[in-house]
Amino acid sequence: NAGVTQTPKFQVLKTGQSMTLQCAQDMNHNSMYWYRQDPGMGLRLIYYSASEGTTDKGEVPNGYNVSRLNKREFSLRLESAAPSQTSVYFCASSEAGHTDTQYFGPGTRLTVL
Amino acid sequence: GNSVTQMEGPVTLSEEAFLTINCTYTATGYPSLFWYVQYPGEGLQLLLKATKADDKGSNKGFEATYRKETTSFHLEKGSVQVSDSAVYFCALIFGNEKLTFGTGTRLTIIP
Repeated sequence: NAGVTQTPKFQVLKTGQSMTLQCAQDMNHNSMYWYRQDPGMGLRLIYYSASEGTTDKGEVPNGYNVSRLNKREFSLRLESAAPSQTSVYFCASSEAGHTDTQYFGPGTRLTVL
Repeated sequence: GNSVTQMEGPVTLSEEAFLTINCTYTATGYPSLFWYVQYPGEGLQLLLKATKADDKGSNKGFEATYRKETTSFHLEKGSVQVSDSAVYFCALIFGNEKLTFGTGTRLTIIP
């Protein structure tokens, strides 16, 4: 049982480049989330998807877009990367909404030069 | 808004020492409270939780009690092991709002 998987594990981009972070879960969960983790700031919610076909902004959505491709997959896209987006990105899923236990992927460490 | 304040780290202890990591919260109403743990190179895992006042969450020898009077949810363990070295996050959720995390406390246990 893989749980939540994320690709890639590491990525280095130059300012202005674009990329998509991939996330998939095999727990048949309805809700999925993207967070970023920065030193001294804990985790902050970027976007979430309460159920297939819906997405909503979180605390720090600027500079990002998301796609809930199907029930399993939730991708995060950076259209024009900036150094301020250097961070560790975590995907998570839960059975139904914020109040259910969230299960996290291993993270993607992104550096924007 | 809702917020979580955690003891700043890093915390370094010897094996078998007693551990306390402080966590206090601010919320409108009575939130559910959580401790998550992040082992090196991994994502966060739920360690324990409590959903109402005076509840005690426990797992893997760790405990935390939901104290409404002091708005606290301190994490404790009687005898830590090297394998407990990790970053610990206190978090809360209230109603249907998002999970709110503290800044994390890095714990290192020395043999």
